[in-house]
Amino acid sequence: QQPVQSPQAVILREGEDAVINCSSSKALYSVHWYRQKHGEAPVFLMILLKGGEQKGHDKISASFNEKKQQSSLYLTASQLSYSGTYFCGTELSPGNTGKLIFGQGTTLQVKP
Amino acid sequence: GAVVSQHPSRVICKSGTSVKIECRSLDFQATTMFWYRQFPKQSLMLMATSNEGSKATYEQGVEKDKFLINHASLTLSTLTVTSAHPEDSSFYICSALAGGRVETQYFGPGTRLLVL
Repeated sequence: QQPVQSPQAVILREGEDAVINCSSSKALYSVHWYRQKHGEAPVFLMILLKGGEQKGHDKISASFNEKKQQSSLYLTASQLSYSGTYFCGTELSPGNTGKLIFGQGTTLQVKP
Repeated sequence: GAVVSQHPSRVICKSGTSVKIECRSLDFQATTMFWYRQFPKQSLMLMATSNEGSKATYEQGVEKDKFLINHASLTLSTLTVTSAHPEDSSFYICSALAGGRVETQYFGPGTRLLVL
């Protein structure tokens, strides 16, 4: 079952913060976050495993709440380069051939 | 590290012809690769899982005789769109699964197919 991302789209000014959520109706083993720019391939951002861990990469961080079956991606002090479509990919169980089910995407536009 | 290439990046073909797309993992070996299709402003739709040395696993609704997948080596998977029609026009993206504490998919740059 495809995870649901919210919001579908967001427009920010440089320096503002944003949160993107990814919710699943099924229990998750891991959540993978990617960013895709128009006409390009998705670029890997980070993985979160069940256990509620939180990760950070520069000013982009994420959390995983396995009880809520939800992951959130936090973008702080956004930069123009953050613009793109963000996808979460969910893995239901380990050893499932690494197969991911992707959400519908959240389009982020950062304006000067 | 974890670089995946795809070739060609763009192809235009006539209806009825076949098109082959290559996906290579450049700096790591991948026993598993994935093929996706993406329509404009939509999500990544998994078509099939490519397994080195064995048959590909296709997702429901994907015609295996239409989309032939061959995983000839630990660094190469190919997708052949046979007898292409205009409705096959799309952005095709492959990914290769890299091992580690948690296996991660790394994507190729994609191939834009236009069937006239």
